[in-house]
Amino acid sequence: DTGVSQNPRHKITKRGQNVTFRCDPISEHNRLYWYRQTLGQGPEFLTYFQNEAQLEKSRLLSDRFSAERPKGSFSTLEIQRTEQGDSAMYLCASSGQGEGYGYTFGSGTRLTVV
Amino acid sequence: LAKTTQPISMDSYEGQEVNITCSHNNIATNDYITWYQQFPSQGPRFIIQGYKTKVTNEVASLFIPADRKSSTLSLPRVSLSDTAVYYCLVGRSTGAGSYQLTFGKGTKLSVIP
Repeated sequence: DTGVSQNPRHKITKRGQNVTFRCDPISEHNRLYWYRQTLGQGPEFLTYFQNEAQLEKSRLLSDRFSAERPKGSFSTLEIQRTEQGDSAMYLCASSGQGEGYGYTFGSGTRLTVV
Repeated sequence: LAKTTQPISMDSYEGQEVNITCSHNNIATNDYITWYQQFPSQGPRFIIQGYKTKVTNEVASLFIPADRKSSTLSLPRVSLSDTAVYYCLVGRSTGAGSYQLTFGKGTKLSVIP
């Protein structure tokens, strides 16, 4: 297992289009997190899954955002009707039992909305 | 979650020890202190975590005084490859089993040859 994998690494889309990102966590990790990071800022929490259950969502996650983790394995984050303000790095992280705050982050998907 | 305050930037020469101090005056009893490192265009990388006193691993040491209102990340003999942003975080497990982290802007460390 080589860590947390995110695809695509870069995505350029026109305003109003829908986009979907994929995250493959470390296989034995039951916790999965999505964060968003804009230039010069630290990552901001978006949502949390424990296995296949989405247990926490930030107020940042508007109705245009939806995340899934079917079967508790990979996860997808979809943004509908993208806006220029959605331009950011979207980071996925996972952690396992007993690892608490020791997340393993992926390299992220950089979204540019033009 | 407790707010953290850390310097925006620091410079250091190669080979020196670097200490980055973070204040977290409102830390709660159940909160842990965690530090992450982030290079450009990469996700953050976990460095070290502690609750009190001193923790050391192969990368860094973390010093936490008895009142836990601050913590100091110590990087021994830094090299150019340690140039990165370092985040101090205070995290608490939520009822849903999540270990949610709140990142600030971090400290941008620049190591000079």
